[in-house]
Amino acid sequence: AQSVTQPDIHITVSEGASLELRCNYSYGATPYLFWYVQSPGQGLQLLLKYFSGDTLVQGIKGFEAEFKRSQSSFNLRKPSVHWSDAAEYFCAVDLSGGYNKLIFGAGTRLAVHP
Amino acid sequence: ETGVTQSPTHLIKTRGQQVTLRCSSQSGHNTVSWYQQALGQGPQFIFQYYREEENGRGNFPPRFSGLQFPNYSSELNVNALELDDSALYLCASSLMGLPGGTDTQYFGPGTRLTVL
Repeated sequence: AQSVTQPDIHITVSEGASLELRCNYSYGATPYLFWYVQSPGQGLQLLLKYFSGDTLVQGIKGFEAEFKRSQSSFNLRKPSVHWSDAAEYFCAVDLSGGYNKLIFGAGTRLAVHP
Repeated sequence: ETGVTQSPTHLIKTRGQQVTLRCSSQSGHNTVSWYQQALGQGPQFIFQYYREEENGRGNFPPRFSGLQFPNYSSELNVNALELDDSALYLCASSLMGLPGGTDTQYFGPGTRLTVL
């Protein structure tokens, strides 16, 4: 079955440290790939997306993600985390060819220590 | 802020009742998708509406139904509520009809439904 796996349920980093959140998908072809962030009581905000082309994608708030076809991964990174980055992060895939019918992972909750 | 609004913010119902949730899409958008997000989980796609017609459905029973109106706002209706329907319900709007599919979708803040 097609799925999205985020292996880390909860990650804690210190402010200023680097961050990598993992995402793997199970699908035969390359889907459209997304990372969203959700702060408490808020909806989902799109950080970045990958459709094709350059496998390193730049997003908002200093985030980037790298698509690796051989590993079926789309990991999210940030070189220096800020306290305001504490939130829940969701990886998602679109198997509908760009029609926004997304399958989400279970999420990774990020805590940031001062 | 995305321009997608949802009402009500919170709702409490009892098992067996029916509920209607509302979504006002971002100006210029013609497509609305609904997602269910249970506590501690990622959102799950319920269905999508495009130009007032259902345009795809996830693995949800028929007691989950929807409507889209000419102004592209939308309703999600759930009949015969069950305890497991307790969740955050998110709607997202986008503009379909562009070359290659659809533009970025924007999510509303959600409606928190509690079923007792």
